[in-house]
Amino acid sequence: DSGVTQTPKHLITATGQRVTLRCSPRSGDLSVYWYQQSLDQGLQFLIQYYNGEERAKGNILERFSAQQFPDLHSELNLSSLELGDSALYFCASSPLSGGSDVGFGSGTRLTVV
Amino acid sequence: GDSVTQMEGPVTLSEEAFLTINCTYTATGYPSLFWYVQYPGEGLQLLLKATKADDKGSNKGFEATYRKETTSFHLEKGSVQVSDSAVYFCALRDDNAGNMLTFGGGTRLMVKP
Repeated sequence: DSGVTQTPKHLITATGQRVTLRCSPRSGDLSVYWYQQSLDQGLQFLIQYYNGEERAKGNILERFSAQQFPDLHSELNLSSLELGDSALYFCASSPLSGGSDVGFGSGTRLTVV
Repeated sequence: GDSVTQMEGPVTLSEEAFLTINCTYTATGYPSLFWYVQYPGEGLQLLLKATKADDKGSNKGFEATYRKETTSFHLEKGSVQVSDSAVYFCALRDDNAGNMLTFGGGTRLMVKP
């Protein structure tokens, strides 16, 4: 158990809908990262938050957004969902913003039908 | 930008066979290198890492050496077990550009008894 908790584990929704994925980082970790794992794109970094502030942005679509709350949990919001958004979404956390080991959650499997 | 290339799978081996999964990288700086493993239905687990040239990471019988001259970080194990069946990801982290990881495409390993 990495200590990173993601909910829900599975999500099935229709095209055009909006969903929210939730992540609780390891105790003491200030940084949260979101990754998308899809069959065609592999594992891609989406976005990083550090202590409530956006720190780095990767290949995140404009339809997607994230935030980190004062209690350090994070949410990834996906809107206007398309079939191609079906993927496994991982959250990871680390104590610092750079140079520290990262722990991954078990992921949320999103299926858009 | 940074990138990681690893051999495509699946790699199918018999138990006790020797394993090599090739990984090469492209980076502008001096990245840290990682191997992660993903067992079915689970998240990513750090298998081993190396933070500078000529470092050897090792764990659970797996090892990989950071080769700056060939920009490689090949994963090896002398004798695989059925329980090693999983997907293996090579990754790099540019420590001067935050803590996000750049992943290779993953290699599925299947070990048959």
